[in-house]
Amino acid sequence: QVQLVQSGGEMKKPGSSVNVSCKASGGTFSSYAVSWVRQAPGHGPEWMGGVMSMFGVANYAQKFQGRVTIIADESTSTAYMELSSLRSEDTAIYYCATEFAGAGFEHWGQGTLVTVSS
Amino acid sequence: DIVMTQSPDSLAVSLGERATINCKSSQSVLYSSNNKNYLVWYQQKPGQPPKRLIYWASTRESGVPDRISGSGSGTDFTLTISSLQAEDVAVYYCQQYYTTPYTFGQGTKLEIK
Repeated sequence: QVQLVQSGGEMKKPGSSVNVSCKASGGTFSSYAVSWVRQAPGHGPEWMGGVMSMFGVANYAQKFQGRVTIIADESTSTAYMELSSLRSEDTAIYYCATEFAGAGFEHWGQGTLVTVSS
Repeated sequence: DIVMTQSPDSLAVSLGERATINCKSSQSVLYSSNNKNYLVWYQQKPGQPPKRLIYWASTRESGVPDRISGSGSGTDFTLTISSLQAEDVAVYYCQQYYTTPYTFGQGTKLEIK
């Protein structure tokens, strides 16, 4: 059973960057893709992008292209998401989630609250 | 992008009664090569991440009670709870996994009448 543990909540100023980590245990890290999904208060989930450590190439939603970087470190079974040029609208809970065989997101991290405020 | 539209936005059902949530995609999410619909249903309770209930439109996640089922193909899908229990109160989302960006419906809030 895969378990995902994310880093703690962050408070950031507008214009700054945030880096969230997601450490996986159980399963074989290289066998599944890891995506980042965010959820603003009172809104539905929104896919930001994903990566598979085996291939190392990330795929991003157009909306976040140029602002988000997602990497997966197979040696530590950890995925990272960096979002730059933060604005207040980026205030949300950020989740990592695993996907295998085109069946959607099976395992989820506990979520990391990122608050962007001056 | 594929737009996912759920109906209704909210739903109140009596305990033991049937709840039906619909999800429509702006284009087909059926992969002809394997005849699988890349459509997933999630349940989300307050303070928790979404939980996958159904994938490939109708395959139930291990441990999900059989009163919860998914159906549909192509662009029209349904999540059915045959006999509502108190623990089913949640927000339900559909999601297409056919192509990036993977997109979610706006959610349906299910409550007890």
